[in-house]
Amino acid sequence: GAVVSQHPSWVICKSGTSVKIECRSLDFQATTMFWYRQFPKQSLMLMATSNEGSKATYEQGVEKDKFLINHASLTLSTLTVTSAHPEDSSFYICSATHPGLWEQYFGPGTRLTVT
Amino acid sequence: AQSVTQLDSQVPVFEEAPVELRCNYSSSVSVYLFWYVQYPNQGLQLLLKYLSGSTLVKGINGFEAEFNKSQTSFHLRKPSVHISDTAEYFCAVTDSGGYQKVTFGTGTKLQVIP
Repeated sequence: GAVVSQHPSWVICKSGTSVKIECRSLDFQATTMFWYRQFPKQSLMLMATSNEGSKATYEQGVEKDKFLINHASLTLSTLTVTSAHPEDSSFYICSATHPGLWEQYFGPGTRLTVT
Repeated sequence: AQSVTQLDSQVPVFEEAPVELRCNYSSSVSVYLFWYVQYPNQGLQLLLKYLSGSTLVKGINGFEAEFNKSQTSFHLRKPSVHISDTAEYFCAVTDSGGYQKVTFGTGTKLQVIP
């Protein structure tokens, strides 16, 4: 149980376009989802915390107008990278918390390459 | 706020040898501690966690970790590693008070040598 999926697993887009990444909890309802960014050979950096039905809480230094997060239901959160640029190329990982458990379940990640 | 230090960025070890990956944390409040493993181009998988109780925690794939409050450490150990254990390992900490925001260490690359 406690499976989190991400779609797409990889995406290539042109500079200036927008990309949407989906994060789904498949077999549980996730009240909170997290979005991370990971650069090559580096740790995960928390971008934002997403709670169902409310605005996301962004970490310091993360542009909320560039990285739009929508947590429309208890099983789906989306991250939209708007007007993407090559420096946005990265590995984006989401996670979801299972109610009552002190554990985050991670999605498999999405590799974004902006050309 | 919490912080996590993984002093070893890379740990090479021969197959079937024991290994210890070090993790130290800093926090002004009670914490929960985690070890995650990441295989190339994949998400993170939980190896084990310490929430309370016994300070020796056993996880999946034969790994275990010991919580040492006085030394603020949570080192990960395995008595005999396999080639398949080659991966990146992340130590993480969260405030036990309720927010669930997790702070990750910088990771340790375990390289098992045949």
